[in-house]
Amino acid sequence: HLQLQESGPGLVKSSETLSLTCSVSGGSISGATSYWAWVRQAPGKGLEWLGSIYNTGNDYYNPSLQRRATISVDTSKNQFSLKLTSATAADTAIYYCATHTSTMTTRYFDSWGQGTLVTVSS
Amino acid sequence: DIQMTQSPSSLSASVGDRVTITCRASQSIGDSLNWYQQKPGMAPNILIYGTSTLQSGVPSRFSGSGSGTDFTLTINSLQPEDFATYHCQQSSSVPPYTFGQGTRVEI
Repeated sequence: HLQLQESGPGLVKSSETLSLTCSVSGGSISGATSYWAWVRQAPGKGLEWLGSIYNTGNDYYNPSLQRRATISVDTSKNQFSLKLTSATAADTAIYYCATHTSTMTTRYFDSWGQGTLVTVSS
Repeated sequence: DIQMTQSPSSLSASVGDRVTITCRASQSIGDSLNWYQQKPGMAPNILIYGTSTLQSGVPSRFSGSGSGTDFTLTINSLQPEDFATYHCQQSSSVPPYTFGQGTRVEI
């Protein structure tokens, strides 16, 4: 059973880069067939998918981020990471790492980290 | 992007009630619709995928139905542990994956 754990600064200054890491245990990030994803939830708001990456490096992102996001995989550490440049207060949220699995008809997020709150301040 | 709209945004119910939550997509998504349960301070948890397939371990009082643009999550005989926020999510046309705004089920 996969376990995911986010880590990174809880406070980021406006205009700087928000960087988070997700550590995966209970399985190999390079051996799995799932995609690795980041999802966030602003205070009192709904969920927003940020982007996903396969262990081969194939990645795709939410266009709403206007190319500010980059997700990468480090197979040697069994981790994947998120970098979000030019952070603003609108990026203040709980950030979750997750896996998503495909069936014949859908793709859903089946394992989640506990989430980490990142506050962007001026 | 496909917009997902849930209704109601919140509802009050009692233990034993039957609860229905609706999710509407801005365009047809076939049956590529998933439901999550999120309890306060915790990550979401997958309940139902592909409109109607229960994730392993999810009680049978949960059920999902629908197709195209209109979907429903039903909880039969609401239990104390079911008080939470429920989110729908589409995977038909990506990127991006999009979620509904959530429905809070409270006493």
